[in-house]
Amino acid sequence: HSALTQPASVSGSPGQSITISCTGTSSDVGNYNYVSWYQQHPGKAPKLMIYDVSNRPSGVSNRFSGSKSGNTASLTISGLQAEDEADYYCSSYTTSTTVLFGGGTKLTVL
Amino acid sequence: QVQLQESGPGLVKPSDTLSLTCAVSGYSISSSHWWGWIRQPPGKGLEWIGYIYYSGSTYYNPSLKSRVTMSLDTSKNQFSLKLSSVTAVDTAVYYCARTLRTTGAVFDYWGQGTLVTVSS
Repeated sequence: HSALTQPASVSGSPGQSITISCTGTSSDVGNYNYVSWYQQHPGKAPKLMIYDVSNRPSGVSNRFSGSKSGNTASLTISGLQAEDEADYYCSSYTTSTTVLFGGGTKLTVL
Repeated sequence: QVQLQESGPGLVKPSDTLSLTCAVSGYSISSSHWWGWIRQPPGKGLEWIGYIYYSGSTYYNPSLKSRVTMSLDTSKNQFSLKLSSVTAVDTAVYYCARTLRTTGAVFDYWGQGTLVTVSS
């Protein structure tokens, strides 16, 4: 299994919406609804934002949402805020009982 | 509140074994969750190393499997990682984490991370 594919960077202005894609294969993203998204600010540990494709843990803003179509999952952040500027990683469980992460996407709030 | 804290040497010599421990507070590691390790080389992305179940079952990243050993110490409520024959490419911030539940590999609680540098 290779790492899941994410765009290296995305950007948006405050108040706008952005979407980050995460492309895998039929052996991971396409086979299970076990896609998670993590937010990581510089020097900090990752924080779980979305799990099981579209579920938000308690305390995570409803501005964050997730979806999946085929082998590609997506994270959408609406109403962008300066504090959303961070790196975002997707992950997926695989048919080999392993865990794959994406390469990460740097979100810049302009 | 569940808290995880990594500890171990910050500097390891090439060919030696990297050993880290993750102390867990606020939750018993004897409960049905997976307890995992994830690493992040400086300036790079996350890489799953593996995880261990409360029963002692383990799953490892195939690319590291020959060098990785994970174990539990329920008496101290902590779990450990050993990575043998390290080289410079093993230099990274190492995180320990807990999974949300038994299935799906969702990491809901993370330690703050510890930087391990491999250098002579």
